[in-house]
Amino acid sequence: DVKVTQSSRYLVKRTGEKVFLECVQDMDHENMFWYRQDPGLGLRLIYFSYDVKMKEKGDIPEGYSVSREKKERFSLILESASTNQTSMYLCASSPPPGQAYEQYFGPGTRLTVT
Amino acid sequence: GDSVTQMEGPVTLSEEAFLTINCTYTATGYPSLFWYVQYPGEGLQLLLKATKADDKGSNKGFEATYRKETTSFHLEKGSVQVSDSAVYFCALRHGGATNKLIFGTGTLLAVQP
Repeated sequence: DVKVTQSSRYLVKRTGEKVFLECVQDMDHENMFWYRQDPGLGLRLIYFSYDVKMKEKGDIPEGYSVSREKKERFSLILESASTNQTSMYLCASSPPPGQAYEQYFGPGTRLTVT
Repeated sequence: GDSVTQMEGPVTLSEEAFLTINCTYTATGYPSLFWYVQYPGEGLQLLLKATKADDKGSNKGFEATYRKETTSFHLEKGSVQVSDSAVYFCALRHGGATNKLIFGTGTLLAVQP
């Protein structure tokens, strides 16, 4: 089975802190994604990566950056956390389109910024 | 651009009732369509998918048929259980090389015993 793990299930940070959310997948997938999930808004794509050191902005990249130094690991960085970044963060991975089309999700990190 | 619209919840049903959650999409070409489920406190899991028109995806008693003429992919189950209580997301695969997905806003299903 594909396994996507996220470093924390719950995280509480203060405004202005730099926050790192880590995601690791064990299936050698090329594509990895970071979403945030908010009530009534569904999932919104923050960033995605289609290869090591390659990244593209999603729909809501402002206030976030990402890092992918190794194929299995994709990190989301909140440069200076703000209260409006309190949310559930979901990481996902997928193989290339020629192999399969679905994404595999981690359990999520619920981040609270106070 | 591409988009997914699904019915707002919450949907509250009694055990053994029939379930329909509506999903319609707007997309160019022939997208692949998905239903994901999120149980309380967990990430999303793929429930079923369909990759071309008239395909029927099915899993765990749930079904959805890809209807290109009505641009719909409604989720159905003949008899729901309390354990089906979750949030259900409809999604389409955006064209390209990266498997990007566009999600609907999610529908909360609550099944009462």
